[in-house]
Amino acid sequence: DAKTTQPTSMDCAEGRAANLPCNHSTISGNEYVYWYRQIHSQGPQYIIHGLKNNETNEMASLIITEDRKSSTLILPHATLRDTAVYYCIVRVPGGYNKLIFGAGTRLAVHP
Amino acid sequence: KAGVTQTPRYLIKTRGQQVTLSCSPISGHRSVSWYQQTPGQGLQFLFEYFSETQRNKGNFPGRFSGRQFSNSRSEMNVSTLELGDSALYLCASSLGRVNTEAFFGQGTRLTVV
Repeated sequence: DAKTTQPTSMDCAEGRAANLPCNHSTISGNEYVYWYRQIHSQGPQYIIHGLKNNETNEMASLIITEDRKSSTLILPHATLRDTAVYYCIVRVPGGYNKLIFGAGTRLAVHP
Repeated sequence: KAGVTQTPRYLIKTRGQQVTLSCSPISGHRSVSWYQQTPGQGLQFLFEYFSETQRNKGNFPGRFSGRQFSNSRSEMNVSTLELGDSALYLCASSLGRVNTEAFFGQGTRLTVV
């Protein structure tokens, strides 16, 4: 399983962009990068996923480097409600609904 | 569209007892996975069921078991409860195809005393 490395914690001012990095240097060619977040004591929430191209949805943008060894999740205008633990996950090939969670990044959005 | 429903939300059990947790997936989803979350170990994969068959299994003892019914609803059972089984138990449902997103329920908070 490809391992991911994320900073333990980050801060962001409300209204500014939050850029959350993830390193996945051992990722295989057919493995996707997924991002989830977990607001305190709730179930994780799916944010976005991608293979090699940059992706954008209503919640966030995902930028994957050309060599696919790292990626960045971007929350364009962070709000207090974005305070959560963010998990970067490399999806196991054939793993279907199996997600391997690391420790994640604890993002604190301040007024 | 209703989300993933887990029952009960909270549970207190005594050491040595057994417990059954329930998960109703999103309509049309055939895959249900179970996870354990503790402060020390984080989120850990327990097992996945697809079309009533266990398809993936994590590294947990045999006291942890599950099943899935024909309507895709799933239950997990923990026998001979230990204090260390106190955790938030989460289930996630998905269509079950490769690389489709999984949607989580709110979890069942189990406390073993």
